Amino acid sequence: QKEVEQNSGPLSVPEGAIASLNCTYSDRGSQSFFWYRQYSGKSPELIMSIYSNGDKEDGRFTAQLNKASQYVSLLIRDSQPSDSATYLCAVTPYNNNDMRFGAGTRLTVKP
Amino acid sequence: ETGVTQTPRHLVMGMTNKKSLKCEQHLGHNAMYWYKQSAKKPLELMFVYSLEERVENNSVPSRFSPECPNSSHLFLHLHTLQPEDSALYLCASSQVLRTDNQPQHFGDGTRLSIL
Repeated sequence: QKEVEQNSGPLSVPEGAIASLNCTYSDRGSQSFFWYRQYSGKSPELIMSIYSNGDKEDGRFTAQLNKASQYVSLLIRDSQPSDSATYLCAVTPYNNNDMRFGAGTRLTVKP
Repeated sequence: ETGVTQTPRHLVMGMTNKKSLKCEQHLGHNAMYWYKQSAKKPLELMFVYSLEERVENNSVPSRFSPECPNSSHLFLHLHTLQPEDSALYLCASSQVLRTDNQPQHFGDGTRLSIL
């Protein structure tokens, strides 16, 4: 079982719609969860972090965490073409020094 | 100036060449990381340094040799690479080693192609 799993996509949504990106993880003791956005040819850029169960909102982005289900998601409201990128889910396992990344979901927002 | 700078941005080398990748962070962080990113695969952690000491080596072949002369600089020395080593190599840094609540900041990477 992969430590962090994401659908590779591509996920295509029309401009103005809600994009929903999902991630599951295998280590039940994981403590910290991050979403990174990576444009083609660029570095991953942190856009959201979440540490406790529930929702966390930041502008058009909402991260949702459910530790019982080992599931973290990212919602993007009012999607824009500029949101088109690969979104990486990252998880810090319990008592570990490094992050585990998913392979990423490629999102395309069509005008 | 960007927080984490990597040079060169692109590198093409033969299998018998020796080259080095450089990473510099201007964030005052104490931990630095090398990752390999291949197409459609998760980021693979290669090496972790904390205060210039290597604390993790994830079974990386010896043809990759890291060096951390100080907390701001990280190098990856390359020697006798294989075609499957072609990938994007990303450097990252974080304030402290333990990553709880401490996200990593990435450089733009070096796109490496092995002929």
